[in-house]
Amino acid sequence: GQNIDQPTEMTATEGAIVQINCTYQTSGFNGLFWYQQHAGEAPTFLSYNVLDGLEEKGRFSSFLSRSKGYSYLLLKELQMKDSASYLCAVGDQTGANNLFFGTGTRLTVIP
Amino acid sequence: EAQVTQNPRYLITVTGKKLTVTCSQNMNHEYMSWYRQDPGLGLRQIYYSMNVEVTDKGDVPEGYKVSRKEKRNFPLILESPSPNQTSLYFCASSLQGIREKLFFGSGTQLSVL
Repeated sequence: GQNIDQPTEMTATEGAIVQINCTYQTSGFNGLFWYQQHAGEAPTFLSYNVLDGLEEKGRFSSFLSRSKGYSYLLLKELQMKDSASYLCAVGDQTGANNLFFGTGTRLTVIP
Repeated sequence: EAQVTQNPRYLITVTGKKLTVTCSQNMNHEYMSWYRQDPGLGLRQIYYSMNVEVTDKGDVPEGYKVSRKEKRNFPLILESPSPNQTSLYFCASSLQGIREKLFFGSGTQLSVL
């Protein structure tokens, strides 16, 4: 597998901004995804980055730096429903068409 | 409604009793995949399929089998389940591969006693 690191847990206040970081090491980078997973549910797609830079989609933005093996997910105007796990996943095309997930960051939004 | 349907949602079985978890998608997706999710380990890929009759091992294929006889179906087979296969399993599909977003089924919580 690949080495994908993200913080285990984070807490933030409703209405605030939070940044969830993800670092990775891969020999055949083939894109980076962020997924959201509420407790007991399936992951759902948030964003996809394959080129360097910032992708903005409403309250959520995702950034990628391929040279640094680094990405972050930025959540603005936090709402209680944003309490969930956020999964960073890296595609690797070296020898196989695999997608590797980090262990996820559990975000708790407090009033 | 576009979806990935997994069954059953919950399954309790005993060691050695063969079982199949079904997965079906109605989006004409070419790529399908199975993951298991364990606390502290995240989602790990078991097998994937790029198209009909094409399957490949993922990160943790030992103890599992799959088949892709039709485009829409991708069952996961445990020939002789063991307790270390107790886990939450997800089937997922995408249009063409890992450069596309994955659509996940609702999951199967398997307990092997």
